Amino acid sequence: DTGVSQNPRHKITKRGQNVTFRCDPISEHNRLYWYRQTLGQGPEFLTYFQNEAQLEKSRLLSDRFSAERPKGSFSTLEIQRTEQGDSAMYLCASSFPLGGGGETQYFGPGTRLLVL
Amino acid sequence: AQKITQTQPGMFVQEKEAVTLDCTYDTSDPSYGLFWYKQPSSGEMIFLIYQGSYDQQNATEGRYSLNFQKARKSANLVISASQLGDSAMYFCAMREANTGNQFYFGTGTSLTVIP
Repeated sequence: DTGVSQNPRHKITKRGQNVTFRCDPISEHNRLYWYRQTLGQGPEFLTYFQNEAQLEKSRLLSDRFSAERPKGSFSTLEIQRTEQGDSAMYLCASSFPLGGGGETQYFGPGTRLLVL
Repeated sequence: AQKITQTQPGMFVQEKEAVTLDCTYDTSDPSYGLFWYKQPSSGEMIFLIYQGSYDQQNATEGRYSLNFQKARKSANLVISASQLGDSAMYFCAMREANTGNQFYFGTGTSLTVIP
């Protein structure tokens, strides 16, 4: 399977704990995105990598959130000192840029986080 | 202002009928792309169709077509011959070519296909 994969698929943690999620993009895609999706809403952009460089971060991404893509391949998203408001689905997507807005993202299955 | 607006929280359609899901967008960038994604209950976002702002013709992909009305800033998704497996959330999204690399998503429309 050459699609985007995410691990774990589900994570339950206690408030105050740290969690880390992993995303493996489609191998030839150099762009990688993280989104957060809460119930009844569309995905909200968190951050974006081109190769290993983190080029854009949303204001939603507080200092408790950090993302890395060390070798331009897989990426990790860490949430420190989790809060109940962090409970959401965390989606990863990868893409290869085309011109004129023609970039199509392919999404992974997501990691569903529940903070108790 | 919302970049993407989907005004239909829920829609019902009879199996084998066609259905239109509405999407309007807001941008001042002349170069942009519009996308539709399907999200079944399993959670994975599935890419359906893409329309570029400079494309002269409406995009089509199998049973999906995009009714692109640039002057009205609307990009409605038309699903023909609905199937039970089409029941899902549908999200409209936009990417502006010249103002960053964010994709903006709407709040989605829940489609239920009735047998």
